[in-house]
Amino acid sequence: GAGVSQSPRYKVAKRGQDVALRCDPISGHVSLFWYQQALGQGPEFLTYFQNEAQLDKSGLPSDRFFAERPEGSVSTLKIQRTQQEDSAVYLCASRQGDSPLHFGNGTRLTVT
Amino acid sequence: QKEVEQNSGPLSVPEGAIASLNCTYSDRGSQSFFWYRQYSGKSPELIMFIYSNGDKEDGRFTAQLNKASQYVSLLIRDSQPSDSATYLCAVKDRGRRALTFGSGTRLQVQP
Repeated sequence: GAGVSQSPRYKVAKRGQDVALRCDPISGHVSLFWYQQALGQGPEFLTYFQNEAQLDKSGLPSDRFFAERPEGSVSTLKIQRTQQEDSAVYLCASRQGDSPLHFGNGTRLTVT
Repeated sequence: QKEVEQNSGPLSVPEGAIASLNCTYSDRGSQSFFWYRQYSGKSPELIMFIYSNGDKEDGRFTAQLNKASQYVSLLIRDSQPSDSATYLCAVKDRGRRALTFGSGTRLQVQP
């Protein structure tokens, strides 16, 4: 596709609900990253995939956060038993080789 | 100490002036440095990247890197109201694929 596509654009979840956020990277991009951006802060790294392999998940804040990319293209970030502190914009980015990161428009998650 | 530090601002400059945005980083092994612009409610977009000490110019933008001082800056010449946004400094450390971002500096260009 022309750019990184994320869905849904907005998600409101009640505390305790599970959510799934989708990222469709630029076609052919091997590397895929998830970032979390709280209001007024810079993006914080969550996890990184190279093709289908999750090579770095050091930024996932708890075991309630889980990400997958089973076929090396589309990725899903799942948050179980959402808490209010999970409210943030979740950004997905992809790149090929050492080219610059291309970000999607993000999913704004609000946990009530 | 945060790995990448930026003054949150807002930095207010008049239209036509030079805006100077600064960033310091803690890891001496950092290899690559990026400046992203983020409009409110939008995703970050890359402005410039720099790998080597010195200056790199692209149109109205100049990135400056001083690895000895662990300092990187972005100069915006002839600032326009459309430059009003948050500017994020990002650093790529040796051995890591991910970028580490600062909290951003909000720039306001007054018409």
